[in-house]
Amino acid sequence: QSVLTQPPSVSGAPGQRVTISCTGSSSNIGAGYDVHWYQHLPGTAPKLLIYGNNNRPSGVPDRFSGSKSGTSASLAITGLQAEDEADYYCQSYDSSRYVVFGGGTKLTVL
Amino acid sequence: QVQLVESGGGVVQPGGSLRLSCVASGFTFSNYGMNWVRQAPGKGLEWVAYIRHDGGSKYYADSVKGRFTISRDNSKNTLYVQMNSPRPEDTAVYYCAKSMYAYNWFDPWGQGTLVTVSS
Repeated sequence: QSVLTQPPSVSGAPGQRVTISCTGSSSNIGAGYDVHWYQHLPGTAPKLLIYGNNNRPSGVPDRFSGSKSGTSASLAITGLQAEDEADYYCQSYDSSRYVVFGGGTKLTVL
Repeated sequence: QVQLVESGGGVVQPGGSLRLSCVASGFTFSNYGMNWVRQAPGKGLEWVAYIRHDGGSKYYADSVKGRFTISRDNSKNTLYVQMNSPRPEDTAVYYCAKSMYAYNWFDPWGQGTLVTVSS
């Protein structure tokens, strides 16, 4: 049972917009700690996608965006492409557990 | 470019010991905190441990506290995790990842090294 809750899977057709939610509590996201997002393809190193709730590292397309409100955060992907098919994880800090990850969401491009 | 390369994975018996290493290059290693994160087969990412840039603070996940020890040698740009008394549930790909502080983002990550705990 992960401290941060994500939907196990989401899907969308090419060109569509999908969102992935990340729900925490008052000891992590709700306490004001930032949320970060990663893209992970099997057999590869996880890749930083969004840091500090809504910032994109250089090289990450602006199709990816993040937001945070209250005890939750979201990752939005617009103009879905086949190459976006991967696992996505949110990460934050918890006042009693230190670093916490969401359980991961598998994105399928239909 | 910034790079992290893990090594030391393999098969270890329950109750044995294993040390993983992570060699860093392309940045001033002694200025950054470092982490170990693992992914068990078919599971998600699980944070394991963090060490501050100077080794002065160390944090552990409850699942490994008292069994794993994170350390670093800044003169060798190398991060370690000593795994004592491993259990079958410690079987996973272990990644090292750079962050400034424990509450910061992890970037970059290494490619990972597989640890299998089995008799």
